[in-house]
Amino acid sequence: SQQGEEDPQALSIQEGENATMNCSYKTSINNLQWYRQNSGRGLVHLILIRSNEREKHSGRLRVTLDTSKKSSSLLITASRAADTASYFCATVGDSGAGSYQLTFGKGTKLSVIP
Amino acid sequence: DTAVSQTPKYLVTQMGNDKSIKCEQNLGHDTMYWYKQDSKKFLKIMFSYNNKELIINETVPNRFSPKSPDKAHLNLHINSLELGDSAVYFCASSRAVPGNEQFFGPGTRLTVL
Repeated sequence: SQQGEEDPQALSIQEGENATMNCSYKTSINNLQWYRQNSGRGLVHLILIRSNEREKHSGRLRVTLDTSKKSSSLLITASRAADTASYFCATVGDSGAGSYQLTFGKGTKLSVIP
Repeated sequence: DTAVSQTPKYLVTQMGNDKSIKCEQNLGHDTMYWYKQDSKKFLKIMFSYNNKELIINETVPNRFSPKSPDKAHLNLHINSLELGDSAVYFCASSRAVPGNEQFFGPGTRLTVL
C-alpha cells in the first residue's frame, strides 16, 4: 500500500518565492528521499535524509524529518522557473526486503511562474 | 554516456500482444528495478533484481516477467497485454546497499489499444 502522502497536491508560486512541500508516512523507516520529475522525464534523486537526522541542506534545498510525527518537508528557496516539476517523497523500510524498496507518495506538482 | 537507458521510449500496441521493454545501466550497480507510473502519476515498484536474483516481486500479474541476462540489464516482458497495462514504465538501478538512492531511466510510455 502507499506509504507517503504529499501535501499539497499542487502548488503555484512566483519566481523568487519559497516553496514548501510536505510528506507524511505510516511505518518506521530507514531513510526518506525526495525526487524530482520533470514532465515526460524520469525521476532525479534530490536528497536523502536518514531516520536519525532531523535536517539536511543541499544548495537551495532544505529537508526536515520528524520521525515522531512521521513527516518530512522539502523547502526550495528562491525558486526558479526551472524548478517547475513534480516532487515525490519516497520512504525506505528499516528491515528485510523493504530496506531496498522505495515506496513513493503521489507527489506535489510545483509550478513556478516567471 | 547515459546512466540508465530504456528502449523503446514509446510503445503502442494492440490488446493481446506480447511486448518487451529493455533497460541497461552503465553505473556498475548491482540492483535494478522496474516501476509502473499510472495516469495519476502514482509510482509503484514491480520488481527488483540483485545480482540476477529476484529479491522483490510485488503482486503484479504473472503476465509480467523480468529477465536479467546480466547485472547491467533488466528487461521487462509482458504477455497478453491488457488496456489496464497502459502506463509509463521506469527502470532504475542502485548499489546493493539498503536504502540507497536510485537512478531512473527516462521511461517507456506504453499504450494498449
